[in-house]
Amino acid sequence: GENVEQHPSTLSVQEGDSAVIKCTYSDSASNYFPWYKQELGKGPQLIIDIRSNVGEKKDQRIAVTLNKTAKHFSLHITETQPEDSAVYFCAAPFYGQNFVFGPGTRLSVLP
Amino acid sequence: DAGVIQSPRHEVTEMGQEVTLRCKPISGHDYLFWYRQTMMRGLELLIYFNNNVPIDDSGMPEDRFSAKMPNASFSTLKIQPSEPRDSAVYFCASSLPGQVFNQPQHFGDGTRLSIL
Repeated sequence: GENVEQHPSTLSVQEGDSAVIKCTYSDSASNYFPWYKQELGKGPQLIIDIRSNVGEKKDQRIAVTLNKTAKHFSLHITETQPEDSAVYFCAAPFYGQNFVFGPGTRLSVLP
Repeated sequence: DAGVIQSPRHEVTEMGQEVTLRCKPISGHDYLFWYRQTMMRGLELLIYFNNNVPIDDSGMPEDRFSAKMPNASFSTLKIQPSEPRDSAVYFCASSLPGQVFNQPQHFGDGTRLSIL
């Protein structure tokens, strides 16, 4: 069925370190993979996305990698800063009919 | 640019009352989505519209929930009668024309609904 798993559920890193969050999905036909950041009291905001015709995409300190064979994609944040603290969600489309979000990862960047 | 605008931001009401949540999508976007977020179930897609027409409402939990989009700049999500288990944060999102689930969705800041 429609399933997006996300790990870890919580992640604490020291400021300046890197953070990696991984998502796995079940629909092999999925071809669009976004990552959203949600701050307290706000809606999810897109931070980066990737399509299935590329394996990696980078935007300053943020990157996303995709392994279509293994059906997983990962968010990489380098040189973390306190303002990176938030809940991060991955998502994937299913059969062109639904959009399923992962359960979220709460990232805490410790000063 | 104005983002997706939702109102009210907070709603507290008693069980059995009718609740109406409102959304104004980004101008030029022709897809509009309603989501519900809870601790137990995360973010769930309830219904989405394309050019004001409901396309898929299979995520709407019960007949007590209904959604309309009378024009390109306004949508409502209504719960009647409301129950305590409807307490959640409800988000509206919109996206540009194209393949519906293959492009970014832009979210509003949500309505936090509490049913007593």
